[in-house]
Amino acid sequence: SAVISQKPSRDICQRGTSLTIQCQVDSQVTMMFWYRQQPGQSLTLIATANQGSEATYESGFVIDKFPISRPNLTFSTLTVSNMSPEDSSIYLCSVLTSGTGYGYTFGSGTRLTVV
Amino acid sequence: QKEVEQDPGPLSVPEGAIVSLNCTYSNSAFQYFMWYRQYSRKGPELLMYTYSSGNKEDGRFTAQVDKSSKYISLFIRDSQPSDSATYLCAMSGGDSSYKLIFGSGTRLLVRP
Repeated sequence: SAVISQKPSRDICQRGTSLTIQCQVDSQVTMMFWYRQQPGQSLTLIATANQGSEATYESGFVIDKFPISRPNLTFSTLTVSNMSPEDSSIYLCSVLTSGTGYGYTFGSGTRLTVV
Repeated sequence: QKEVEQDPGPLSVPEGAIVSLNCTYSNSAFQYFMWYRQYSRKGPELLMYTYSSGNKEDGRFTAQVDKSSKYISLFIRDSQPSDSATYLCAMSGGDSSYKLIFGSGTRLLVRP
């Protein structure tokens, strides 16, 4: 299965600032996904990133707040903009795992704390 | 009502016990069912996946899906302290099969 490297692993940021999270995959993939995991809650899909097109955002998430880039088939970034303490979460990128129907492989996540 | 319900635990068992983890769901369109294991400060790791109803076994792990009851289970036999983690069920289906809906996870602690 794919190996995903995610940076940074954690960060503490001031409110009002922005953080860009990087996701690198060791193989070419069509779709990359960004999830948020808030403390004690389930994973929630933020958006799906396809190479060469704009990301598709889920209800409750907007491009101005979470801009996503997908410049090639192995890399994507998620930016958390104008952060507030409510944005404190773990952010995870993922790709579909071949041979498992719709099973996903996840990166190790970025633990974000906004103060 | 959430689409997927999962008891958050924590569930504490002695080493060697059989562990039963469960999820219920409301969307009858779900066709793909998965279990993920998440260790602290790590991303979720795919453990088991099942398409439609039935059982699937992999080593000490057995996944069961009962679509008529909208109920899925993960059994862990001969549980080990290294099984201590959060277990998340996930499922998908219908028009957006790639989009997983996760349960909130059950924390499991296996005591030596």
